[in-house]
Amino acid sequence: ESVLTQSPGTLSLSPGERATLSCRASQSVATDYLAWYQQKPGQAPRLLIYGAFIRATGIPDRFSGSGSGTDFTLTISRLEPEDFAVYYCQQFGRSLFTFGPGTRVDIK
Amino acid sequence: QLQQSGPGLLKPSQTLSLTCAISGDSVSSNSAAWNWIRQSPSRGLEWLGRTYYRSKWYNDYAVSVKSRIIINPDTSRNQVSLHLNSVTPEDTAVYYCGRDLTGTTPGDFWGQGTLVIVSS
Repeated sequence: ESVLTQSPGTLSLSPGERATLSCRASQSVATDYLAWYQQKPGQAPRLLIYGAFIRATGIPDRFSGSGSGTDFTLTISRLEPEDFAVYYCQQFGRSLFTFGPGTRVDIK
Repeated sequence: QLQQSGPGLLKPSQTLSLTCAISGDSVSSNSAAWNWIRQSPSRGLEWLGRTYYRSKWYNDYAVSVKSRIIINPDTSRNQVSLHLNSVTPEDTAVYYCGRDLTGTTPGDFWGQGTLVIVSS
């Protein structure tokens, strides 16, 4: 079973800065099958990116996904105040759906 | 919209039963899948299973709960239910239902979540 790891665990940045979040899989993931979610306290996760780089409906273009194989990246080009949250990657594979442990983006 | 309901407190060995009422879509949609996911500090986000209709009904379940779980569609009420039997304190979590239209995620839209605590 492929395991997802995310780094860093916590990213401390200021509004307006660029955020780069990493997701690494222990086995190769088909590009179509990697997604990213955002979760704020007390809320359900919100789908941001699927198919590694396709933005979900209503997601601003400051969010972008890239990568292939075992290494994937979520980039937030300029952090807005509402972007400070926890971000999870998720893969679709033999065990169907598994999630990474998350990266917290907090205000520096 | 997905509106979840069900009890929030259970004793060990009881059955967890939650429902997810669907509005603005159909549980029998040929393009949607209906998932249950849970989240706890110890286990993180964990997908539990799904049901979907493609000319007939299909179910998939996570290996970790496969012996204890049933997910049922209810076409008359346009909702989907989760039943997890023989619960233990390890099943304490926030439970979410999710609708997926992408085919590759457990939810492009999620319910509000239900905290379920298992304690004697």
